[in-house]
Amino acid sequence: DQQVKQNSPSLSVQEGRISILNCDYTNSMFDYFLWYKKYPAEGPTFLISISSIKDKNEDGRFTVFLNKSAKHLSLHIVPSQPGDSAVYFCAATSLISGTYKYIFGTGTRLKVLA
Amino acid sequence: EPEVTQTPSHQVTQMGQEVILRCVPISNHLYFYWYRQILGQKVEFLVSFYNNEISEKSEIFDDQFSVERPDGSNFTLKIRSTKLEDSAMYFCASSALRVETQYFGPGTRLLVL
Repeated sequence: DQQVKQNSPSLSVQEGRISILNCDYTNSMFDYFLWYKKYPAEGPTFLISISSIKDKNEDGRFTVFLNKSAKHLSLHIVPSQPGDSAVYFCAATSLISGTYKYIFGTGTRLKVLA
Repeated sequence: EPEVTQTPSHQVTQMGQEVILRCVPISNHLYFYWYRQILGQKVEFLVSFYNNEISEKSEIFDDQFSVERPDGSNFTLKIRSTKLEDSAMYFCASSALRVETQYFGPGTRLLVL
C-alpha cells in the first residue's frame, strides 16, 4: 500500500547549496502533509507541515511546496548544513476524514558534505 | 522544550513473553499514538487513544496488543505473547488536538528472540 512514496532513497548535497527532497502521494483525501527528520537511534522530529489549502509554507531554512494537481510535495533546505544530514520522512493524513493516523513514506537519506 | 519520553530504550525478550513499553506524552496533550518501524521498512501506525479509549487502530493492532493510560502521565503498549515478527522500533507520539501535529518519542527497540 504505497500511498506515500519517496522515490529517492538517498541524496548528497554540498554544504551551502539547496537540498530538495521529493514526495508523491496517491490518496486524494490527504489534506495535511508533514516532514520529519530522523537521526539514528532517535524518533522522528517534526520539521514543517502544510495544509492542502496552501501551496507553500516556509520556516527559516525550510520550505515545503505542495502541488495538489500532481499529488507532489517537496522540501527545500537552503542553505544546507552538515547538521541537516539525516533521514527525512514525508507523512500525510486526511484530517477531513476523521482519521488519526499518519501515513509515512520510506524516507530519503540526506548527506550534506562539508 | 517539552518532549515525549519512552522507556526502556531497548528491550530483548523471548518469543511468547509479554512486554510492556512505556511512554510519557507531552503533558498538555490529549491524543496519544503508537507507531512501529520494522528494520528497513516504513513507520507504520498502530493505534490512537483519546479520552481513555482507542479511537482508531490498524490491522496490525490485533488481540495481542493493548494500550492503557494507567495514570495521568503514562501511556503503555502491551504485547501479550510476542512473536519474532514483533521485533521493531516502537514509537510513541502525542498531539494536543487530533488536527495538530504529532510529536514523537525516541523509540523503544524491541528484539524478540
